[in-house]
Amino acid sequence: GESVGLHLPTLSVQEGDNSIINCAYSNSASDYFIWYKQESGKGPQFIIDIRSNMDKRQGQRVTVLLNKTVKHLSLQIAATQPGDSAVYFCAENFLFQGNNRLAFGKGNQVVVIP
Amino acid sequence: DGGITQSPKYLFRKEGQNVTLSCEQNLNHDAMYWYRQDPGQGLRLIYYSQIVNDFQKGDIAEGYSVSREKKESFPLTVTSAQKNPTAFYLCASTDRGSNEKLFFGSGTQLSVL
Repeated sequence: GESVGLHLPTLSVQEGDNSIINCAYSNSASDYFIWYKQESGKGPQFIIDIRSNMDKRQGQRVTVLLNKTVKHLSLQIAATQPGDSAVYFCAENFLFQGNNRLAFGKGNQVVVIP
Repeated sequence: DGGITQSPKYLFRKEGQNVTLSCEQNLNHDAMYWYRQDPGQGLRLIYYSQIVNDFQKGDIAEGYSVSREKKESFPLTVTSAQKNPTAFYLCASTDRGSNEKLFFGSGTQLSVL
């Protein structure tokens, strides 16, 4: 938990700036995608999700963009705050042997500089 | 408040010992999951259960066992056969058949003495 951020790509962003976190997914048949935020020593928290029939979805201060052509997902955080410092990772949902399965990315560490 | 409770927060295992991690949820979710998280890696699925009294192996089930006798509870036992048990273990739940908004517990950090 405390060491979940080791060896991850790190994005350093000034407080108040916008952050963009990227994720490449692997399965072209994936139909649902989720972004999670994980603070040190805690479990992941749901941020926002998007279905494959959409290319953009907005939440409070967050926007998720989906580009199915290149299998790419991004999370944009507006006006980044110190509380946004965490590891962010994406997950893709696909059918495996008749059951829904989630595959998780390794994550990106976001460090907000006050 | 509804949620998932994992205990203990920290657990230490001696050589050859079996240890059990607790996971309880009061969300009335049918499906429950156990994931393992290692530094710098994505979550890996150990076991999952779609309904009471039924469970399936995930991608890294060797050295682990589970039970699902009650809807609310899905304990994970890390057996002595798991030679590299040090990791952060996460329990999660969701409505049956759906991976939408998977809810996670706060995790258990298991270390070997």
